[in-house]
Amino acid sequence: QKEVEQNSGPLSVPEGAIASLNCTYSDRVSQSFFWYRQYSGKSPELIMSIYSNGDKEDGRFTAQLNKASQYVSLLIRDSQPSDSATYLCAVNKGAQKLVFGQGTRLTINP
Amino acid sequence: EPEVTQTPSHQVTQMGQEVILRCVPISNHLYFYWYRQILGQKVEFLVSFYNNEISEKSEIFDDQFSVERPDGSNFTLKIRSTKLEDSAMYFCASSPDRGRHSPLHFGNGTRLTVT
Repeated sequence: QKEVEQNSGPLSVPEGAIASLNCTYSDRVSQSFFWYRQYSGKSPELIMSIYSNGDKEDGRFTAQLNKASQYVSLLIRDSQPSDSATYLCAVNKGAQKLVFGQGTRLTINP
Repeated sequence: EPEVTQTPSHQVTQMGQEVILRCVPISNHLYFYWYRQILGQKVEFLVSFYNNEISEKSEIFDDQFSVERPDGSNFTLKIRSTKLEDSAMYFCASSPDRGRHSPLHFGNGTRLTVT
């Protein structure tokens, strides 16, 4: 079982709609979770972090965490073409050793 | 906004040669990291560094690799006797502390091509 799993996509969403990205992790003791956005050929850029069960909102982005189900998600409301990128789920394994998922490629269609 | 800077942006080297990738972390950050991403694959942890010594390293980070903070600003990754499979994007990152909630700030990366 992979430590962090994501659907590789591609996920296509029409402009203005909600994009939903999902991630599961295997290590139950993981406590910190991060969503990074990566444009092709560029470095990961932090979008959201979440540590407690429930929802955390920041602008158009909402991260959701369910530790019992070992599940993290990212919702992007009012999707824009500039949101087209690969979204990386990362789990903190301690001492800032992040374990990344494969990433989900998101395409927003105008 | 302060950022992590990496040089060069692209490095081409021949198999068997040594390369040094350079990074300038954010000035008040204390923890430094190297990650790599082989084309089409996930981002992988290589090493973390604090107080002039390695805190943790992955299985990838074998004797071929070394890190150094030669002065107060630079943080380097040396790869000796490069192999074709070392071709990847190498990302430097830094964080202000080691707290599990402290996010990593990544540099723009160095694309290493081994021919």
